[in-house]
Amino acid sequence: QQPVQSPQAVILREGEDAVINCSSSKALYSVHWYRQKHGEAPVFLMILLKGGEQKGHDKISASFNEKKQQSSLYLTASQLSYSGTYFCGTDRTNSGNTPLVFGKGTRLSVIA
Amino acid sequence: DGGITQSPKYLFRKEGQNVTLSCEQNLNHDAMYWYRQDPGQGLRLIYYSQIVNDFQKGDIAEGYSVSREKKESFPLTVTSAQKNPTAFYLCASRTGRQPQHFGDGTRLSIL
Repeated sequence: QQPVQSPQAVILREGEDAVINCSSSKALYSVHWYRQKHGEAPVFLMILLKGGEQKGHDKISASFNEKKQQSSLYLTASQLSYSGTYFCGTDRTNSGNTPLVFGKGTRLSVIA
Repeated sequence: DGGITQSPKYLFRKEGQNVTLSCEQNLNHDAMYWYRQDPGQGLRLIYYSQIVNDFQKGDIAEGYSVSREKKESFPLTVTSAQKNPTAFYLCASRTGRQPQHFGDGTRLSIL
């Protein structure tokens, strides 16, 4: 079952913050976040493997609430380079090597 | 540097023609995957392989075929049975529960 992302699109001015949510009606075994620039392949941002985990680098961070079956990606003090489509991907099972199932993406536009 | 190489970057298919997209990885990953992306859409799974000489259908396998004869290689054939092949095709690989990484993609269009 495909995870649901919200919002579908968001427009920010430089320096503003944003939150992108990813939720599932089924158990979440892990959450992977990617950013895709127009015409390019998705680039891996971070992975959260267990409930309660939080990660981040620079001004992008994420949390994983296993009980609520959801994850959130936080972008603070946004920069023009943050523009793109953000995807969350989740494992279908708890075993390794399985393909991720992706949400439909959140289009983020940062304007000057 | 380790990575995933997809070729060609652009491909054109004539009516009734089969075309093959190449995917090679030197990351020593066990599993490899093919996804299709349509404009403004998410990623849909076509086929995947968790070990050599074995592969499974994904959510949209009709009109496609794959092989996995070597750990490093997972080519995708778009057959003439795929009536709407125009899309961006992405190959990915992974081991265990580690992150899944993507190649740069192949953009396929109909002539």
